[in-house]
Amino acid sequence: DAGVIQSPRHEVTEMGQEVTLRCKPISGHNSLFWYRQTMMRGLELLIYFNNNVPIDDSGMPEDRFSAKMPNASFSTLKIQPSEPRDSAVYFCASSFGTAPGTDTQYFGPGTRLTVL
Amino acid sequence: QKEVEQNSGPLSVPEGAIASLNCTYSDRGSQSFFWYRQYSGKSPELIMFIYSNGDKEDGRFTAQLNKASQYVSLLIRDSQPSDSATYLCAVGGSSNTGKLIFGQGTTLQVKP
Repeated sequence: DAGVIQSPRHEVTEMGQEVTLRCKPISGHNSLFWYRQTMMRGLELLIYFNNNVPIDDSGMPEDRFSAKMPNASFSTLKIQPSEPRDSAVYFCASSFGTAPGTDTQYFGPGTRLTVL
Repeated sequence: QKEVEQNSGPLSVPEGAIASLNCTYSDRGSQSFFWYRQYSGKSPELIMFIYSNGDKEDGRFTAQLNKASQYVSLLIRDSQPSDSATYLCAVGGSSNTGKLIFGQGTTLQVKP
């Protein structure tokens, strides 16, 4: 299995620009998670989907962030407009089951975002 | 109080020694406990999980869980330089949150 696939691996953009991060979960997995990792705040859950449906977006920092999962094989996390404080590593993870606190989550390689 | 707390370290041990990594959590209803390893610049990868009180062994790794004390630990026997990484404790399965909550991680350095 190819594992969780994320693109791009690195993104450098200027403040105010739109950023779109992409994720392909492991085939057959039913849950998808978007995390953000910074030195100050560690690994934070932004949003997760069960069977393509957003279940909990309470971790999304503000309206500038949005996420979609149009089908079982693809999800996007969009930041519009981007700000320097959004600079972080964004991880996508997936799991087979639909219990977010119980099932093993498998992480993608991450996207390192730098907003200048 | 943070939901999942870990000493950030670094924890430095000599090669061949036992490394002991600790984690405490605040939600008494938590049911699932995971240890992830993260090398610098890489993504977290699962080492092991534990659901029941007591010890669970997998090769050189042993996870220990004490729900009454809200404490989970990871022991690494015969530590190797390749074990040098950040170890993330993750706690979940609570009816309160339902989500997996990660600690800040403990950085382990194994010196040859």
